[in-house]
Amino acid sequence: AQSVAQPEDQVNVAEGNPLTVKCTYSVSGNPYLFWYVQYPNRGLQFLLKYITGDNLVKGSYGFEAEFNKSQTSFHLKKPSALVSDSALYFCAVRSTSGTYKYIFGTGTRLKVLA
Amino acid sequence: DSGVTQTPKHLITATGQRVTLRCSPRSGDLSVYWYQQSLDQGLQFLIHYYNGEERAKGNILERFSAQQFPDLHSELNLSSLELGDSALYFCASSVERSSGNTIYFGEGSWLTVV
Repeated sequence: AQSVAQPEDQVNVAEGNPLTVKCTYSVSGNPYLFWYVQYPNRGLQFLLKYITGDNLVKGSYGFEAEFNKSQTSFHLKKPSALVSDSALYFCAVRSTSGTYKYIFGTGTRLKVLA
Repeated sequence: DSGVTQTPKHLITATGQRVTLRCSPRSGDLSVYWYQQSLDQGLQFLIHYYNGEERAKGNILERFSAQQFPDLHSELNLSSLELGDSALYFCASSVERSSGNTIYFGEGSWLTVV
């Protein structure tokens, strides 16, 4: 069965500091991995995805994520956090085999402090 | 704007009632996914349709049903509503049937059961 874990309910970081939001996954076969961001009272917005190839994936708004197969992780990173990055972040996984189900983590609330 | 349209945006109804949530996918997208987001359950996958056919089922209650019509719009029907059904219901779409497709979310339908 597919699953995604986001071990931190909330991450606090000072503006200008680097941020990391953690995600680990479990899937049979190779994974497709995604990050989405949700602002209050809005839908989820796509940030980036890993399909194959380079383990470092760059996405929208200066975010990037590193795929680590041995650790089954796909952590979201940004070199310098902005207050406007404060939002709820979701990691998602889809297996390359079987049904086209996208399974989401429970979300991590990022708070960037001025 | 993701291009996925959901109506209504907000809905308040009484226990025991039935409601229908509607989703218009992005132009050209064949797949529609429904998710439920509640405070204590995170983002739960309900059901996936591809070109009118059901492809995968998640944690969808028997009181809930969905369908995708020939014009590719989809409806989620919720019946015998309970207080616990109050949640944000998202629709997402993708062109699908190729690897690693991104799914794009609508703004959601807020359902409050009183």
